[in-house]
Parts: sequence; structure tokens; C-alpha cells
Amino acid sequence: NAGVTQTPKFRVLKTGQSMTLLCAQDMNHEYMYWYRQDPGMGLRLIHYSVGEGTTAKGEVPDGYNVSRLKKQNFLLGLESAAPSQTSVYFCASSYSTTDGRQPQHFGDGTRLSIL
Amino acid sequence: AQSVTQLGSHVSVSEGALVLLRCNYSSSVPPYLFWYVQYPNQGLQLLLKYTSAATLVKGINGFEAEFKKSETSFHLTKPSAHMSDAAEYFCAVSVGAGKSTFGDGTTLTVKP
Repeated sequence: NAGVTQTPKFRVLKTGQSMTLLCAQDMNHEYMYWYRQDPGMGLRLIHYSVGEGTTAKGEVPDGYNVSRLKKQNFLLGLESAAPSQTSVYFCASSYSTTDGRQPQHFGDGTRLSIL
Repeated sequence: AQSVTQLGSHVSVSEGALVLLRCNYSSSVPPYLFWYVQYPNQGLQLLLKYTSAATLVKGINGFEAEFKKSETSFHLTKPSAHMSDAAEYFCAVSVGAGKSTFGDGTTLTVKP
């Protein structure tokens, strides 16, 4: 089972460049999430989606955009990368959970450096 | 709103010793609580979860956690540490979709 797959695993960008991070899940999960992980700060939610064609802002959405055109894919875009966006980005998915009881399944992360 | 506090960013134990990782939470509604483990260069993996069925929850790899509502705590324990337990551990509280909050993490070191 592949679970949650993130592409690419590593990337170095220059300030002002754009890029898209891809997340794919094969568990037929309705919900998908994008987090960033910074040292000593745990995980912070950027955007999430509760179904195909829907997205919502999380705790730290500024500078990022997302799209969920297909149920199995969730894309995270950086339109104009800034050094403050240097981080490890994790995608996660879960079964429908309006009350929060379902655990999340995580990919292995994308390590992004902005110079 | 909900929050999670993990006491101690680094915990070091000897192999075979008791592991105790502390987690306190606050929430305005009854929460669901989780412990995740993260090994180097990997994503988070679920260790165990509390969903109100039982206050003592058993997870994988010999870990367990006890939900104490009066103390708003969900501490993670393991009777005997193994070298393979060295990792970073995250406590999380969830009250709905997009409403999960993770602690800052505790790095567990196991000394031989």
C-alpha cells in the first residue's frame, strides 16, 4: 500500500520562484490536509479539504494556494516563494471526521529550501 | 479553541527504563486525543488514540496512554524503553475537520 505519497521529496528554490507540491492518497479518504513543520513548533495547518472541489484555510494560509480537483490529489502552490517558507511540508489524509475522531495518515514530507 | 502542551522538548532514558511523555490539553468541547511518532525523515505515524471508549488506551509497540479529564492530561508511557523507541513524539487534540492542534513535540533519546 502506497498510502500518502508526496512529490517531490526535496526542492531548493530561489526567492520569487513558484512551485507546486503534489500529494496523492490511495485510501479513498475524503479529507486531506497540508501542514508545515518547523523546529520546535510542531505542525501548523496551512489548508485543508473536506472533499473534491472544496478547500478551506487553516492556521497559516498566507502565501499558499491549494486545489483539490480530484479526490485522491491535493496540490499546494507557492506563487512567489519567500525564505520564511523554508520548511518541511507534510500532507495528510483521513476518513470523514466532522467531530475529529479519525486519525490522519501522513506522507513522508517535502523538504523545501528557499534561498 | 483547543491547545496542547507537551512538557519537555527532550526526554532521555536508559534502555529498559520507564518512558513517560507528558501531554496536557485544553478544549471547550470534549476532544479526541492522539499520540503520533515521527522517525527521522519520515511522516507522523499513529501510536494510539482516545475516542472516549476507555480512559486507558493501548497502542502499538507497547505504548499506552491514560486520559484524565480532571487533570486535562493524556500522558504517554511505556514500561521498558527500547533503542528503537528513539524518535519524536507528538500529542494532538482534535475537535473537528481542520480543527486538529499538535503539540510542539518531545524528542525521546534512549541510552544503551
